[in-house]
Amino acid sequence: DARVTQTPRHKVTEMGQEVTMRCQPILGHNTVFWYRQTMMQGLELLAYFRNRAPLDDSGMPKDRFSAEMPDATLATLKIQPSEPRDSAVYFCASGLVIRGPTSNNQPQHFGDGTRLSIL
Amino acid sequence: GEDVEQSLFLSVREGDSSVINCTYTDSSSTYLYWYKQEPGAGLQLLTYIFSNMDMKQDQRLTVLLNKKDKHLSLRIADTQTGDSAIYFCAESTAGRRALTFGSGTRLQVQP
Repeated sequence: DARVTQTPRHKVTEMGQEVTMRCQPILGHNTVFWYRQTMMQGLELLAYFRNRAPLDDSGMPKDRFSAEMPDATLATLKIQPSEPRDSAVYFCASGLVIRGPTSNNQPQHFGDGTRLSIL
Repeated sequence: GEDVEQSLFLSVREGDSSVINCTYTDSSSTYLYWYKQEPGAGLQLLTYIFSNMDMKQDQRLTVLLNKKDKHLSLRIADTQTGDSAIYFCAESTAGRRALTFGSGTRLQVQP
């Protein structure tokens, strides 16, 4: 079964430290999404890539967050400097969007998430 | 903007059917999804439906879509204790593929 792989699964660090989260999308998928889940806000979109190009990062605090896709097999989400309010579960998802019938598209599959705690 | 709403909690007895409801506001929603999240785990895609469909059945799962009322439901037949989880409704459009999620419905299955 193809899976989205996220590392690390858990991260605890002190505020002010840099945090890097990694995601390996499903092979052949051309869209990658970063979501954040908190008790208060639920699931929120942070960033969205298609064919490695950023399409939407309006949900991301630009001063401290950055998202990149160095290649088709790796997406990264960095926080620098980290703050306690960044504590959350960060999910990566990948899907396939192509022209033509909607049935040819593949829905988003999620990784198991990175549980981030900033002390 | 888009909004997706779900009731927060549903309790059923093992063996009964569960029906989880969802409403959305974006009339251009093209794809509607149900995801399942167990404690401490990620989101598992259960099923999805295109807006040009009214119903989709997949084993114990039945999805009904009322596009006029912007209402989506997930029926789980013969609910088992292993079905206890949070169920998220989500939607996306052809132009915006990112998902907008509801707040999730916690399904509790009592033996």
